[in-house]
Amino acid sequence: DAKTTQPPSMDCAEGRAANLPCNHSTISGNEYVYWYRQIHSQGPQYIIHGLKNNETNEMASLIITEDRKSSTLILPHATLRDTAVYYCIVRVEDSWGKLQFGAGTQVVVTP
Amino acid sequence: KAGVTQTPRYLIKTRGQQVTLSCSPISGHRSVSWYQQTPGQGLQFLFEYFSETQRNKGNFPGRFSGRQFSNSRSEMNVSTLELGDSALYLCASSVEQGYEQYFGPGTRLTVT
Repeated sequence: DAKTTQPPSMDCAEGRAANLPCNHSTISGNEYVYWYRQIHSQGPQYIIHGLKNNETNEMASLIITEDRKSSTLILPHATLRDTAVYYCIVRVEDSWGKLQFGAGTQVVVTP
Repeated sequence: KAGVTQTPRYLIKTRGQQVTLSCSPISGHRSVSWYQQTPGQGLQFLFEYFSETQRNKGNFPGRFSGRQFSNSRSEMNVSTLELGDSALYLCASSVEQGYEQYFGPGTRLTVT
């Protein structure tokens, strides 16, 4: 299974873009990169996912490097409500439903 | 569209008892997965059901079991509860296997 590496924590000023890095150097060609976040005491929330092209939705943008060994989740205008633990997950091949969560990145958005 | 619902939200049980947790997926979703979250181990996959069949299982003892009904609702059962089973149990649903999962608020189980 491809593993991911994320910084344990990062701070971001309200209104600024938050760029969350993730390394997944052992990712296989047909494995997707997923991002979830978990606000304290709530269930994880799906944010975005991608295979190799950059993706954007109403919540965030996902930039995947050409070699697919790393990616960046971008929250364009961070708000206090974006304070959460962010998980970068590579979906396990042949185990479609299974998500392997690491420790994630604790993001704190400050006023 | 209503989200994933889990009942009960909070539960206190005594060691040795058993417990059943319930999950109602988003309407139209056919796949349901269960996860356990503890401060020490983080989020760990328990099992996944699709079309009333268990498709994947995590590395948990046989005391943990589950099932899925024809309407896609799912239950998980933990027998002979241990103190270490105290955790937040999360249910997630997806349209089909392989699609993004949407999580419920979880059931907070405390074993005393």
